[in-house]
Formats: sequence, C-alpha cells, structure tokens
Amino acid sequence: AQKVTQTQTSISVMEKTTVTMDCVYETQDSSYFLFWYKQTASGEIVFLIRQDSYKKENATVGHYSLNFQKPKSSIGLIITATQIEDSAVYFCAMRENNAGAKLTFGGGTRLTVRP
Amino acid sequence: GPKVLQIPSHQIIDMGQMVTLNCDPVSNHLYFYWYKQILGQQMEFLVNFYNGKVMEKSKLFKDQFSVERPDGSYFTLKIQPTALEDSAVYFCASSLGLGGSAETLYFGSGTRLTVL
Repeated sequence: AQKVTQTQTSISVMEKTTVTMDCVYETQDSSYFLFWYKQTASGEIVFLIRQDSYKKENATVGHYSLNFQKPKSSIGLIITATQIEDSAVYFCAMRENNAGAKLTFGGGTRLTVRP
Repeated sequence: GPKVLQIPSHQIIDMGQMVTLNCDPVSNHLYFYWYKQILGQQMEFLVNFYNGKVMEKSKLFKDQFSVERPDGSYFTLKIQPTALEDSAVYFCASSLGLGGSAETLYFGSGTRLTVL
C-alpha cells in the first residue's frame, strides 16, 4: 500500500534564505507521480510542483524545485529566496499509476518565514 | 488560477441529521474528488467521480455517504445520517483529466463540518 511521510512537522527560517522540506514515500508501483501542495492560513490549497517517477531531471517552477532521489524514495521540496508569504503548511502527495486518480498525502510541514 | 468554490465554509449540525456539502468545480474539469481532513492530520481520499459515476472510493467513504452532480450543477457530498466522527474539513477538488498536467488537482477552501 502507498504511504507518504513528512517527518518535519514545522520549520522556521529567516526571510530570503533557502529551505528544504523532506518527504519519503512507499510504493510497489514502478510508475508514480509526486506532488507538492501548499495550504495557506486561509485554508486554500494550491498546487506547486510535480515530479513524474520516470523523469530523471528534477522539476523546477519559479522559486520551487525538487530533489528527487528515487533510490531513497525521497522527494524533497526546495524553496529558494523565501518570502514571508511562503509561510504555510506544505503537503507532499503521491499518485500511483495503478491507483487511478487517488492522491495519498503526507501529514504536512508547517513553514514559518520570519522577517 | 482556476477556482473551486465550496459552500458553505462552515456547517454545524446535530448527529443523525443529513448534511449536503456543495462544490462548484472548475468549469471545464471532468474529474471531481472529495478529501477529508481531521484537524491536525493529513488529507485523506474519500471518493472520485467522473462521467456521472463514482470511479473509486476509500474505506472512509461509508455507506452513509453519497455523491452526485446532477445536470452539471454542484458536485455534492451527502452524509445521511451524520455521526460524530464525521466532524472534519471536507475538501472538494477537480481536475481536467488524468495524466500529465491535466491531472493537477485544484482544491476548494474546504467546508468545516461540526457534528454535535
């Protein structure tokens, strides 16, 4: 069965620094898709970035990038030049190719960016 | 970006009553989802819906739960009767399709359901 684990429950960083959030996953499927979402204080959930398991190159979107380490079943999210408005809860999620459209989420990491 | 609207944002009802949670998905999306989040915990998949039918459901999608989207209107989650353990935030999501960028889920802001 699929499982997604985020061990860091909260992180606090200074503005304009780089932060990495960890995520490890378990799957029996050879093909799967990994996602990061952000939940703001208002409750809004926003898609940030994805990585397909067959792609070797790490995905990058704006100031978000991924550190995909397939042998370790790890998909870290890196945020560079953090801003106050990056403060949110970040969720890692996985979809197995054989599991239809279902996403399995991790427990989330609360990021606080301090001025 | 595309918006999913959920109505109401908060609902309080007595145990045993029926409740309907409403979701207005992104207009051209074809796949619809409900997720449940108990306070402080991760979001958990309940059900997804396509072409008028339930595609998949999890163990959390009890017999008391049902979903529908009559005539392209709201995508609804109905719980009848409600139980105390149904108290949670329910998130609706929609996607254009499956595979590639089409499967990106867009979420609503959630409906906080409190069952007394």
